[in-house]
Amino acid sequence: QSVLTQPPSASGTPGQRVSISCFGSSSNIGRNTVNWYQQLPGTAPKFLIYSNNQRPSWVPDRFSGSKSGTSASLAISGLQSEDEADYHCAAWDDSLKAWVFGGGTKLTVL
Amino acid sequence: QEQLQQSGPGLVKPSQTLSLTCAISGDSVSSNNAAWNWIRQSPSRGLEWLGRTYYRSKWYNDYALSVKSRITINPDTSKNQFSLQLNSVTPEDTAVYYCARSDGGHFDLWGRGTRVTVSS
Repeated sequence: QSVLTQPPSASGTPGQRVSISCFGSSSNIGRNTVNWYQQLPGTAPKFLIYSNNQRPSWVPDRFSGSKSGTSASLAISGLQSEDEADYHCAAWDDSLKAWVFGGGTKLTVL
Repeated sequence: QEQLQQSGPGLVKPSQTLSLTCAISGDSVSSNNAAWNWIRQSPSRGLEWLGRTYYRSKWYNDYALSVKSRITINPDTSKNQFSLQLNSVTPEDTAVYYCARSDGGHFDLWGRGTRVTVSS
């Protein structure tokens, strides 16, 4: 089991808004920032959101992140077919002294 | 252009040592800002951070508890690369292994991954 908890799957139709949750604890999300990674089929993960809600320059503003207490969320608005991928959350865990990940959420665009 | 180039065998026998190397382009393994990580991914365990090496006036290593007794990550400043050694492997170590840079609190640069199978 992964330290951070994500739903295994999510789906939406083009144009819709979808949200993916990530639940942790006081030793990880509760104390540290959350990062999100997008993994397209057959490729390495690529960072999508860092420091809870910051986007690299190449990430469209359709993607947004938020954090509250010991949970975080990734939202994708105006869903597009190319958004179909696996999405992973991650944070540093102060008790484990390690990076921890969620199990990943497979997003399907119907 | 910043890039991480992985190399190493894709098949390792049980009880032997898994060895992978990650060559760095466009940055330095001795950077005072970055850390150099190994992460693996399997269907059963998802993404799993294994450990890191980094330089802050001297070299440091951090390892995940799950592999701490079996893992070594070493920098090689002469070749600007870092390596992973995982001893006494079992089929549970079968995974895609990634090297990655962490800078500013996130993994911002990844290698392409090496699929490693542990089998006799």
